[in-house]
Amino acid sequence: EAAVTQSPRNKVAVTGGKVTLSCNQTNNHNNMYWYRQDTGHGLRLIHYSYGAGSTEKGDIPDGYKASRPSQENFSLILELATPSQTSVYFCASGGAWVEQYFGPGTRLTVL
Amino acid sequence: GEKVEQHESTLSVREGDSAVINCTYTDTASSYFPWYKQEAGKSLHFVIDIRSNVDRKQSQRLIVLLDKKAKRFSLHITATQPEDSAIYFCAASTGSNNRIFFGDGTQLVVKP
Repeated sequence: EAAVTQSPRNKVAVTGGKVTLSCNQTNNHNNMYWYRQDTGHGLRLIHYSYGAGSTEKGDIPDGYKASRPSQENFSLILELATPSQTSVYFCASGGAWVEQYFGPGTRLTVL
Repeated sequence: GEKVEQHESTLSVREGDSAVINCTYTDTASSYFPWYKQEAGKSLHFVIDIRSNVDRKQSQRLIVLLDKKAKRFSLHITATQPEDSAIYFCAASTGSNNRIFFGDGTQLVVKP
C-alpha cells in the first residue's frame, strides 16, 4: 500500500531557529509536494519536486527551502523560522493526473 | 494559473439526505478533477476523481458531475451518514507542471 511518512509529527521551534521537516515515500513516485494548511486558506503549495535533485517553487515559497536528495525523501527547511510559519504541514507524493498520497502531517509551532 | 473555487465553505445536512458541493475552475485546459476528504484531526485522502472525457462518474454513494462548458464540477453524496462528516477539497489539474490546484475546502456536517 502507498505510504508517506513525515517526521517530526509535532515541533515547537523558536523564532530565528532552523527547522527541518522530513518526508519519506515508498510509492516510487517521481513527484512530491509540500503544502501548508491554515484555517481559512485551505491547502497552499510551498515547494514540489519532479524527482531526485529537482525542486520547484509553489505558490508560497518565501521563507522556505526544499531538498530532494533521493526518490524517497523530500525535506522542507525553514532557515529562520517566524511565528507566521506556525501551521500544519503536509507532504504528498503522486502526480497531477493521478491520486496524491498524503502524509499524516506535521504540526509546527514557532514561538 | 488555475484557480479553483469552492462555493460552500460549510454545509449541514440531515443523515440520509443528499449533500452537494460545488466547485468552479478557471483554466479551460484543466482536464483532471480529484476530490479529497479530510476527517477531523487527520490527513487528506483521495475519494473520487473525474476526467474531462466523461461528464459523470459514480463510486458507491459518491457521484461527480462535470460541466466543461460552465467550468463547473460537483460532488454529490447520497444517503449521507455521520462518517461522511469531514472537510472535502475539490481540485483541478491541466497535467502540466505536475501539480494540482485545490479549492479552500467545504466543511460537511451530517446531523443525526
